[in-house]
Amino acid sequence: DTGVSQDPRHKITKRGQNVTFRCDPISEHNRLYWYRQTLGQGPEFLTYFQNEAQLEKSRLLSDRFSAERPKGSFSTLEIQRTEQGDSAMYLCASSSVRDRTYEQYFGPGTRLTVT
Amino acid sequence: GENVEQHPSTLSVQEGDSAVIKCTYSDSASNYFPWYKQELGKRPQLIIDIRSNVGEKKDQRIAVTLNKTAKHFSLHITETQPEDSAVYFCAASRGGGSNYKLTFGKGTLLTVNP
Repeated sequence: DTGVSQDPRHKITKRGQNVTFRCDPISEHNRLYWYRQTLGQGPEFLTYFQNEAQLEKSRLLSDRFSAERPKGSFSTLEIQRTEQGDSAMYLCASSSVRDRTYEQYFGPGTRLTVT
Repeated sequence: GENVEQHPSTLSVQEGDSAVIKCTYSDSASNYFPWYKQELGKRPQLIIDIRSNVGEKKDQRIAVTLNKTAKHFSLHITETQPEDSAVYFCAASRGGGSNYKLTFGKGTLLTVNP
């Protein structure tokens, strides 16, 4: 499968624990995005990277959230001291700026449940 | 920031009928408008998109129209089939600038009854 992949697909954690998610974008896509989707809503932008540089963070992204893309390939999203309000689907998407298309391709998401 | 409104929130049609979903956006600088289909438990999949330099785009049974003056765009599905049943999201972005982030509508649950 050459699409965007995410790991794990599901994560159940207790409030206060830290969690980390991984996203592997489509090969050679230099832009990578994180979105959060709650039930009955559209995805909400969290942050994005061009290569290894994090270019924008949404104000939705509190200090407990951090994202990295150390080598411009895969990315991780860490949530520290999880809260019940963090329960959501975390989606990753990637796109290529080189071919001047704007299409973003989404991964299957990581569903986080905080108990 | 950008705000995207989407209507209706639910839409039920008979197989073979047409379905229309409408979205409005607030940021006049937005110039890229994709539509995504999301089946239950699956990832959003891009089905069609349009840029601001065109008014209409068609791909088989799916078409999108854009009215930049009124800041609204619509998805049209003709000859609907049960497999078209899903949640559809519209989105907008300033594609081509320094920020490609997508702002999504809240989605439309389309049900096609056989």
